[in-house]
Amino acid sequence: NAGVTQTPKFQVLKTGQSMTLQCAQDMNHEYMSWYRQDPGMGLRLIHYSVGAGITDQGEVPNGYNVSRSTTEDFPLRLLSAAPSQTSVYFCASSYETSTDTQYFGPGTRLTVL
Amino acid sequence: SQQGEEDPQALSIQEGENATMNCSYKTSINNLQWYRQNSGRGLVHLILIRSNEREKHSGRLRVTLDTSKKSSSLLITASRAADTASYFCATEGSGNTGKLIFGQGTTLQVKP
Repeated sequence: NAGVTQTPKFQVLKTGQSMTLQCAQDMNHEYMSWYRQDPGMGLRLIHYSVGAGITDQGEVPNGYNVSRSTTEDFPLRLLSAAPSQTSVYFCASSYETSTDTQYFGPGTRLTVL
Repeated sequence: SQQGEEDPQALSIQEGENATMNCSYKTSINNLQWYRQNSGRGLVHLILIRSNEREKHSGRLRVTLDTSKKSSSLLITASRAADTASYFCATEGSGNTGKLIFGQGTTLQVKP
């Protein structure tokens, strides 16, 4: 199993550009989530999904969209990037719920100029 | 809003010593999890303790949970240089909110 994979590993955007961060898991997990990690702020939940076709907002959802058309994939879209979105983004998945063990991807380091 | 808050924010000890990190949270929980993050990497699950448990062990790790004080502690015994990492607690509020909220973490440095 590859576990949780994220692409790209690094990305530089200009303000106003859009992009999609990819996240995939091959463990047949129902629960998937996106976090951003900023220095001194820990991890903050952006969006999460409890299964295909179901998504919900986390702590800091503004500026981000998600969709869950399949169990395996959970892409995160930045519609119009802003410097405040410069961060490291982590995708995670678990068997069924947020209370199960979370498996994290390696992260995407995003810089918005 | 941050559900869990770790204390201390940073901890530096010598190899062989014990390291204790604390986590406080605000609302009732179903369970509490501890994760480790090595520099530049994703988080790795260490241990989960349920709200009806008071103590749990895993190798050199010991986790306690005091629901009356809304706090948990992670003890790493006989620390090694390889334990150098950031440690986070994570909680989900009772009622199956679906949101797993992390604290800000404790950065542990173990000097050889």
